[in-house]
Amino acid sequence: SQQGEEDPQALSIQEGENATMNCSYKTSINNLQWYRQNSGRGLVHLILIRSNEREKHSGRLRVTLDTSKKSSSLLITASRAADTASYFCASQKETSGSRLTFGEGTQLTVNP
Amino acid sequence: NAGVMQNPRHLVRRRGQEARLRCSPMKGHSHVYWYRQLPEEGLKFMVYLQKENIIDESGMPKERFSAEFPKEGPSILRIQQVVRGDSAAYFCASSPPRGANEQFFGPGTRLTVL
Repeated sequence: SQQGEEDPQALSIQEGENATMNCSYKTSINNLQWYRQNSGRGLVHLILIRSNEREKHSGRLRVTLDTSKKSSSLLITASRAADTASYFCASQKETSGSRLTFGEGTQLTVNP
Repeated sequence: NAGVMQNPRHLVRRRGQEARLRCSPMKGHSHVYWYRQLPEEGLKFMVYLQKENIIDESGMPKERFSAEFPKEGPSILRIQQVVRGDSAAYFCASSPPRGANEQFFGPGTRLTVL
């Protein structure tokens, strides 16, 4: 199956501003997840939203899911320099025990 | 509870040699996944294994690549006769046997083929 797409590919903002990243996927899904990757390191799970959910919050993170448009967005509010990283969405077609299909990622730079 | 362990963290091989990458899942996790990340790209699925079984290998190249997850010991991703195009970061992830969708990732092995 094709990979998802994310936009923008790169985003540069100032500390305190909000950052919004978008993700599209191709097939029907059970859930969509967002991961963060600091340069040269492994991935850290941020948040999971199920196909029957439309919005989810976790701390400064807000995720939305529009299954009719096959798209999701990740909003990071009040960004910090430490938020600088690559952010990936990953869709999962079934419940536990199936592959993640990753987008190409958004490189976020938060300038102090 | 230690996270997913991968070793080595960095591996350098010359063309034609073999590369063996190891992954120890989190305690209690019986599902293991391997992903490959080329520079400036997202992760691409390679293979999904449970103990002693390959469940989904649809992302594995047809030749030179193999994976196993034996009853005892770590999961192994093996690349025979490596070529420069195999240079990438290889990530392993694990998940518990039931009910969880989140996959926990290891730090990755960066393979460089000279």
